[in-house]
Amino acid sequence: LAKTTQPISMDSYEGQEVNITCSHNNIATNDYITWYQQFPSQGPRFIIQGYKTKVTNEVASLFIPADRKSSTLSLPRVSLSDTAVYYCLVGMDTGRRALTFGSGTRLQVQP
Amino acid sequence: DTAVSQTPKYLVTQMGNDKSIKCEQNLGHDTMYWYKQDSKKFLKIMFSYNNKELIINETVPNRFSPKSPDKAHLNLHINSLELGDSAVYFCASSSPATGANVLTFGAGSRLTVL
Repeated sequence: LAKTTQPISMDSYEGQEVNITCSHNNIATNDYITWYQQFPSQGPRFIIQGYKTKVTNEVASLFIPADRKSSTLSLPRVSLSDTAVYYCLVGMDTGRRALTFGSGTRLQVQP
Repeated sequence: DTAVSQTPKYLVTQMGNDKSIKCEQNLGHDTMYWYKQDSKKFLKIMFSYNNKELIINETVPNRFSPKSPDKAHLNLHINSLELGDSAVYFCASSSPATGANVLTFGAGSRLTVL
């Protein structure tokens, strides 16, 4: 399984754009890149998934360069409620091998 | 209308006891999982079931026994509890329709072994 590396923590202020980058140098051809968000005392919540280039939904954007060895989760205009741990995961979309969560990035948004 | 519900939310027990955590999903998903999150916040897969069939068992001690009576339920029974079993246990589910990497998690069950 592809190992992921992401910053342990990040700080931001309300209204700023936050970009969290994840490295996955040994990503396989069939692997997808998936991001989750986890608030304290809650289960992780799916944010966005992509395979290549750019994906955007109502919550975030995901940028994936051509070599797919990294990806960047972009959160536009964060608010205090975006304070959470963000996990980057890489794996095949088959259901036969469960996703492996890394240590995540703890984002702290200040007023 | 909780999509993935786990009970109990909190569980405090003594070493050596046997306990169970129940999970139910009303999403119609085919696959269900148990994850363990330790004090350092690492989330590790324990088991995965697809339509009541065990498909992933990630070197979990055999004191842990999952049971899936139907595809909407996946229960976790733990025998002879140890201090190291203290953690938050998350149940999750997924469906090929939404993508196997798109998991819906429950709120977690915090187990404390004294």
